[in-house]
Amino acid sequence: SQTIHQWPATLVQPVGSPLSLECTVEGTSNPNLYWYRQAAGRGLQLLFYSVGIGQISSEVPQNLSASRPQDRQFILSSKKLLLSDSGFYLCAWSRTGKLGYTFGSGTRLTVV
Amino acid sequence: KQEVTQIPAALSVPEGENLVLNCSFTDSAIYNLQWFRQDPGKGLTSLLLIQSSQREQTSGRLNASLDKSSGRSTLYIAASQPGDSATYLCAVAYNTDKLIFGTGTRLQVFP
Repeated sequence: SQTIHQWPATLVQPVGSPLSLECTVEGTSNPNLYWYRQAAGRGLQLLFYSVGIGQISSEVPQNLSASRPQDRQFILSSKKLLLSDSGFYLCAWSRTGKLGYTFGSGTRLTVV
Repeated sequence: KQEVTQIPAALSVPEGENLVLNCSFTDSAIYNLQWFRQDPGKGLTSLLLIQSSQREQTSGRLNASLDKSSGRSTLYIAASQPGDSATYLCAVAYNTDKLIFGTGTRLQVFP
């Protein structure tokens, strides 16, 4: 069966520090991968998605970037965090989207 | 613009009631629609997935319907329980391989 792992579960970082969140999927190959953010009191916003290694599409211009160095690994990064980067970050995978999406357990990021 | 709206935003009911949560979407050219549950501080758990060719899906006490022509889906919860308390999210998938989420309905079921 397929599983998706996200870590860390919680993170407190100072403003201006770098960020690296990792997501990996097991039990499938060539998944579509997604990063979403859920800010306090707001809905889920798609940040990045990837349909293959090295292929990244950005939905919202911002302080973040994403990379896909391996087929089942998706990384969300920032060189310098802002207060506005605080939120709940969720990774997800799908098989072309037609068979539904599966989400990870999320990372709660607080920038102080 | 593809938008998804959920009403009500919040709902508080006594245990045992039957509930209907609503989801509407502006672009009817969907691939599928998925209902999720989110507990506080947790990730999303998939409840039901309805393909664009289907009218409804059922899982236990949950039933989701889809009316593409009117751009609507409903999630019906029968005989609600305190353990059903959570935020319920509706999400629509389009051919761009992107999932568009509604803002959710926060449900509280009290004993």
